[in-house]
Amino acid sequence: AQSVTQLDSQVPVFEEAPVELRCNYSSSVSVYLFWYVQYPNQGLQLLLKYLSGSTLVKGINGFEAEFNKSQTSFHLRKPSVHISDTAEYFCAVSGLNDYKLSFGAGTTVTVRA
Amino acid sequence: KAGVTQTPRYLIKTRGQQVTLSCSPISGHRSVSWYQQTPGQGLQFLFEYFSETQRNKGNFPGRFSGRQFSNSRSEMNVSTLELGDSALYLCASGLAGPSYNEQFFGPGTRLTVL
Repeated sequence: AQSVTQLDSQVPVFEEAPVELRCNYSSSVSVYLFWYVQYPNQGLQLLLKYLSGSTLVKGINGFEAEFNKSQTSFHLRKPSVHISDTAEYFCAVSGLNDYKLSFGAGTTVTVRA
Repeated sequence: KAGVTQTPRYLIKTRGQQVTLSCSPISGHRSVSWYQQTPGQGLQFLFEYFSETQRNKGNFPGRFSGRQFSNSRSEMNVSTLELGDSALYLCASGLAGPSYNEQFFGPGTRLTVL
């Protein structure tokens, strides 16, 4: 079984400042890792995913994440945020042979002008 | 291409009733998964269907059930509703090929149990 811990429940940040959302995972087997974003009253949208290969993954809307196997982490970063990045962000993990996603508790990002 | 659609978007029921939620996947997608989202428990996996067969199931009581039809549309049913079943129910569809395929989420059905 896999589990995910998102280390920050809320992250306030000023517009054009950088942001980092921290995610640690636990698993006894190899995994796929994901970051999703949820805007109010909407479903989940995939920002980026790590399947294999390069540990630095680039996603949509200027987000990127780095997979660190030794630290079992998958932190999400954006060098300069916009007001429109205000949303809830979820880190998720799945095994290599199933489609079941295990999610973290989420991090609420609030971008202020 | 149309996205994942879920109906209804909002639903109000009373305790003890039963409810059926519907999910239409993206055309060509054969895998449909369901998740429950609540403020207290977060996002939790309910079950996944592929080609009309349940492939994976989460840790929910038997009151939660689902099925998938030959056109890949899926329904989930909750019987004997409890107040704690109030949640956003999300459906996701995917191609489910031999390698990983992205799951696409619908907007969800907001269920309120009174």
